[in-house]
Amino acid sequence: DQQVKQNSPSLSVQEGRISILNCDYTNSMFDYFLWYKKYPAEGPTFLISISSIKDKNEDGRFTVFLNKSAKHLSLHIVPSQPGDSAVYFCAASARSGGSNYKLTFGKGTLLTVNP
Amino acid sequence: DTGVSQDPRHKITKRGQNVTFRCDPISEHNRLYWYRQTLGQGPEFLTYFQNEAQLEKSRLLSDRFSAERPKGSFSTLEIQRTEQGDSAMYLCASSKRGGAEAFFGQGTRLTVV
Repeated sequence: DQQVKQNSPSLSVQEGRISILNCDYTNSMFDYFLWYKKYPAEGPTFLISISSIKDKNEDGRFTVFLNKSAKHLSLHIVPSQPGDSAVYFCAASARSGGSNYKLTFGKGTLLTVNP
Repeated sequence: DTGVSQDPRHKITKRGQNVTFRCDPISEHNRLYWYRQTLGQGPEFLTYFQNEAQLEKSRLLSDRFSAERPKGSFSTLEIQRTEQGDSAMYLCASSKRGGAEAFFGQGTRLTVV
């Protein structure tokens, strides 16, 4: 039962263009969402998060959009840089349900930014 | 370096042997987590500590697995009688009380041969 789904295993974009990574979730209890970036042989690095009371959160080149009715979120990277090439994981937690400590991850999307 | 530290980075062991991994969280974080990641999957939750108390264990954590966090500082994860299916990246993370943003260590790559 995959509660967090990243349906695109990979994405390739040109340097300077926008990268859009998508994530869907099925558990209505999820109310906090996070994006992590992972390089090979390293642990995930926290990028950006969003609470369900918001529909957008921005941090520099990274913006996360949340559509609660569709149970969908996306991460936009503008402009994309070759150093952004990594696996991106979407994660969710149910803070109001008292289990905000536990993250449920998607399977990840491999982003390749071509020079 | 004040991030989450894991040791060892790599471990190769023979099936049936016991292994132990160590995690040192960020010092002001009172929450500590263990996750496991296999090829093509995202990290999967194993267990969670708040200070020294282990508050939840996933059904993924069979009775061959045990985790401790004495004195609420570092944590150890032990796997007894390792099996080939235990081969994975074992990730430790920590967070502040009430914070959902967990910060991960670099992981321990376990290979059971």
